[in-house]
Amino acid sequence: GNSVTQMEGPVTLSEEAFLTINCTYTATGYPSLFWYVQYPGEGLQLLLKATKADDKGSNKGFEATYRKETTSFHLEKGSVQVSDSAVYFCALSVDTGFQKLVFGTGTRLLVSP
Amino acid sequence: DAGVTQSPTHLIKTRGQQVTLRCSPKSGHDTVSWYQQALGQGPQFIFQYYEEEERQRGNFPDRFSGHQFPNYSSELNVNALLLGDSALYLCASSLRRGRGTEAFFGQGTRLTVV
Repeated sequence: GNSVTQMEGPVTLSEEAFLTINCTYTATGYPSLFWYVQYPGEGLQLLLKATKADDKGSNKGFEATYRKETTSFHLEKGSVQVSDSAVYFCALSVDTGFQKLVFGTGTRLLVSP
Repeated sequence: DAGVTQSPTHLIKTRGQQVTLRCSPKSGHDTVSWYQQALGQGPQFIFQYYEEEERQRGNFPDRFSGHQFPNYSSELNVNALLLGDSALYLCASSLRRGRGTEAFFGQGTRLTVV
């Protein structure tokens, strides 16, 4: 079956620190990969995505590279801000004509000034 | 563009009751999916509607049912509520085309079953 495994949180960092949140996946077929972010009291927002191997998704200083050989899609940011504090979800979808997202359990990021 | 809107935002129901949650998709989107997010967990796929028909279903019992209307809006119905149905219910809309198409999520309905 299809599944996503994320590192457990919370991840606690000081402002301007480097961020890595690990994500690995198992999929039957050739998935598209996503990172979604959930701020307190809000729904999920797409942060970035990649649809084929070696693609790099990027947005708002965050990056993730689709690594087929290691089945990974790790999220990175060079310098985090307090406003980045949120829960981050890695997800995949396998193209069957209709998109169905499979999410990891989420990683809470706490950034202190 | 109002994006994806869900109603109500919060709801408290008694065990055994029935509930209906509503979702209006982002303008131009034709596909609506529903997810259940338990506290501290990732969202779990319930089902998806396109052209007023259920197209995919996750591992949820028949107590969970839905509907899509001609204007693409959707309802999620849950019968015979259990305490374990307490969760945030998220609606997502998208276009049924393209690899890696983006799903836009609403803010969710927080359901508490007591």
